[in-house]
Amino acid sequence: GQNIDQPTEMTATEGAIVQINCTYQTSGFNGLFWYQQHAGEAPTFLSYNVLDGLEEKGRFSSFLSRSKGYSYLLLKELQMKDSASYLCAPFLYNTDKLIFGTGTRLQVFP
Amino acid sequence: EPEVTQTPSHQVTQMGQEVILRCVPISNHLYFYWYRQILGQKVEFLVSFYNNEISEKSEIFDDQFSVERPDGSNFTLKIRSTKLEDSAMYFCASSEDGGGSGYEQYFGPGTRLTVT
Repeated sequence: GQNIDQPTEMTATEGAIVQINCTYQTSGFNGLFWYQQHAGEAPTFLSYNVLDGLEEKGRFSSFLSRSKGYSYLLLKELQMKDSASYLCAPFLYNTDKLIFGTGTRLQVFP
Repeated sequence: EPEVTQTPSHQVTQMGQEVILRCVPISNHLYFYWYRQILGQKVEFLVSFYNNEISEKSEIFDDQFSVERPDGSNFTLKIRSTKLEDSAMYFCASSEDGGGSGYEQYFGPGTRLTVT
């Protein structure tokens, strides 16, 4: 089976840095997506990792360690609009579906 | 920027009725998907569609569900006889290539289905 683990909730202050962790146990792992989902809205793509290491994209970076089954999303210079759920979604060989974790609800306070 | 569109944004129906949820994927995309999200729960895969046929479906996607691409632009999800537990947000998504290839899936804004 597939198992994805993320913290349920996190809080942070505007301007700060926050790291959202994701551990996964999947068979046929190919890579991992991070999506952002504001309440009542659709998930939107943030980042994508296939190889080990850090991928940087503006204020957002994502890290992957395939051997450890571990990824994190790093958000810098937090803004109020970053208050949302962050979804870790491994993707597998021989399947097109995304498998979403329950997500981490991030609240940013002034 | 191209986007996935869905109609209606909100659908209320009575238990046992049939509903059709509509989606227009991004025009050059080849793979299409339906996901659902019950309030407060995670996004769940329902079905993927490629080359005019279902490529994969989940256990949720039983005989009550069907998908169709009736023309070159629309992609529909039909629920034949709705149940209370079908109440959820239904997201359509599309991608240039299969998810296993690492192509991101673009999600539509969703249809909130309420079954009474």
